[in-house]
Amino acid sequence: EPEVTQTPSHQVTQMGQEVILRCVPISNHLYFYWYRQILGQKVEFLVSFYNNEISEKSEIFDDQFSVERPDGSNFTLKIRSTKLEDSAMYFCASVTGTGLYNEQFFGPGTRLTVL
Amino acid sequence: EDKVVQSPLSLVVHEGDTVTLNCSYEVTNFRSLLWYKQEKKAPTFLFMLTSSGIEKKSGRLSSILDKKELFSILNITATQTGDSAIYLCAVERDYGQNFVFGPGTRLSVLP
Repeated sequence: EPEVTQTPSHQVTQMGQEVILRCVPISNHLYFYWYRQILGQKVEFLVSFYNNEISEKSEIFDDQFSVERPDGSNFTLKIRSTKLEDSAMYFCASVTGTGLYNEQFFGPGTRLTVL
Repeated sequence: EDKVVQSPLSLVVHEGDTVTLNCSYEVTNFRSLLWYKQEKKAPTFLFMLTSSGIEKKSGRLSSILDKKELFSILNITATQTGDSAIYLCAVERDYGQNFVFGPGTRLSVLP
């Protein structure tokens, strides 16, 4: 069964460092998303991406964040200068986008720890 | 501002009990409502609801949507310890744009 994959599963970094979180969405999906979940809190939308550009972004997704689809398979989230409060679980998700209604499939997540 | 509210936030029951989890929403351009189960890591999909009054069932789980009153319920009958998880409600807003999540209901099923 096709699935969304994410690497690494856990990333530890120092405050101020850049991190890149990687996702491989399901191959025929057209819409891609990043969410974050701070420990014990709700899942929060960061950004959606379609047709090689950002469709929508939340207030959390400031200039420190960027997304890219560098090739036909990977979808990356970059945080330029990490802060302590960026520590969270980051989930990538994808949606077919070809039907009228869309089930969203989540990857296993990357746990980011900023020290 | 779009919002999704779930209740209760936490629930403790014993095996065999039936539970009802609630989700209400205020979202512009509603398209669908989804229920997810989150155990250790990523949310796993349970149901997608798009039409009012049509119950979706999967084993002991069922869910229904009321688009007039803007809410959905998730029922779990004959609960088992393996049902212990956080149950998330999310609403799809606009086409492929954004899924707004509720805070989740933490269900604990005791043996």
